[in-house]
Amino acid sequence: DTGVSQNPRHKITKRGQNVTFRCDPISEHNRLYWYRQTLGQGPEFLTYFQNEAQLEKSRLLSDRFSAERPKGSFSTLEIQRTEQGDSAMYLCASSRRDPSFTGELFFGEGSRLTVL
Amino acid sequence: AQTVTQSQPEMSVQEAETVTLSCTYDTSESNYYLFWYKQPPSRQMILVIRQEAYKQQNATENRFSVNFQKAAKSFSLKISDSQLGDTAMYFCAFMNPPHFGAGTRLTVKP
Repeated sequence: DTGVSQNPRHKITKRGQNVTFRCDPISEHNRLYWYRQTLGQGPEFLTYFQNEAQLEKSRLLSDRFSAERPKGSFSTLEIQRTEQGDSAMYLCASSRRDPSFTGELFFGEGSRLTVL
Repeated sequence: AQTVTQSQPEMSVQEAETVTLSCTYDTSESNYYLFWYKQPPSRQMILVIRQEAYKQQNATENRFSVNFQKAAKSFSLKISDSQLGDTAMYFCAFMNPPHFGAGTRLTVKP
């Protein structure tokens, strides 16, 4: 297993366009998380899934953001009508959920979004 | 709501010295997990150490140890014998789901 994979690694788009990011978690992990991180700040929680169910979504998350995990494997994060304030690194992480769950998250390298 | 506060935006330490990074949190839960993650420059986040709230013994991982004060809701990270490779952003995090503090940028100087 190669770890958590995120694509694309970099995305430059014009304001108003839609963008989609993909995350492939570690195969045996049933939890998947999305975070947004701006320069010099900590990751800001966006949403997370257990299998295909979206269990929690940040109240700070605009309606322009939507995430899916249709088959409980990979996930997509879509941002509609992008704004310059959406420019950030979007991080995906995965973890196990079983009796031995220790809470450790395994992170991908992130997808950097630049909105012009 | 759960909050995580790291009050030291930046710190520096000489190689081989010891440094302590601070973290406080707020929660109404009685059992939970706390973590320290490290994010080296332009690299992905990795777990440094974890602490389960119901365990009174402080966690230790090689040169890294924590001082967990549950009543004070404090969770500090001590790095002993600092190495140049310890230079990174350090984030305190609370489960579940994991919420992160703003981070402390640690620089280890030769």
